[in-house]
Amino acid sequence: DAGVTQSPTHLIKTRGQQVTLRCSPKSGHDTVSWYQQALGQGPQFIFQYYEEEERQRGNFPDRFSGHQFPNYSSELNVNALLLGDSALYLCASSLGAGESTDTQYFGPGTRLTVL
Amino acid sequence: GQNIDQPTEMTATEGAIVQINCTYQTSGFNGLFWYQQHAGEAPTFLSYNVLDGLEEKGRFSSFLSRSKGYSYLLLKELQMKDSASYLCAVRDSGGSYIPTFGRGTSLIVHP
Repeated sequence: DAGVTQSPTHLIKTRGQQVTLRCSPKSGHDTVSWYQQALGQGPQFIFQYYEEEERQRGNFPDRFSGHQFPNYSSELNVNALLLGDSALYLCASSLGAGESTDTQYFGPGTRLTVL
Repeated sequence: GQNIDQPTEMTATEGAIVQINCTYQTSGFNGLFWYQQHAGEAPTFLSYNVLDGLEEKGRFSSFLSRSKGYSYLLLKELQMKDSASYLCAVRDSGGSYIPTFGRGTSLIVHP
């Protein structure tokens, strides 16, 4: 049973550039959420995708955008990168349209460094 | 909004028992999660509590008191591999079903 996968593992960009991160959910899951985790902090919710639409969004600027494909995989795009965007980006998958019992399973993350 | 508080760091001895506390304040409550995260890795799911009481799963147990806004994660027979960050996450009842994470407790297990 394939778990959540993310690519790339590590990425180095410079300020002002754009980046795309990718995520494939756990087999059987249809919902993907993205989180940003700065060093020493807990994950901060960016947004969630279900049925190819953004269902919910956290407190992140419009520079952060995403997409979900028919096979449930997802992309996170960040434009005009800032130094403060350096973090571990986590993708989490779950099953269902927000039922209270669903549990999120995380991928290994993408470590983004902005220079 | 939500406010989640957990100790920043704890140390314990191999073979011992450690209790990691989490207190929270939410406008409504719809479940509490505990995750384990080793350095540089993804969080892995440990437990989920939505009703008061103790949930036991092997060496790990999680307790919840909704009236007190309080939970703890109990780790027994500590092993060196238990050295990790433990994240408490709370989901409110506002319909979002998105958990809010605390900053995590870094547990160091020494011989």
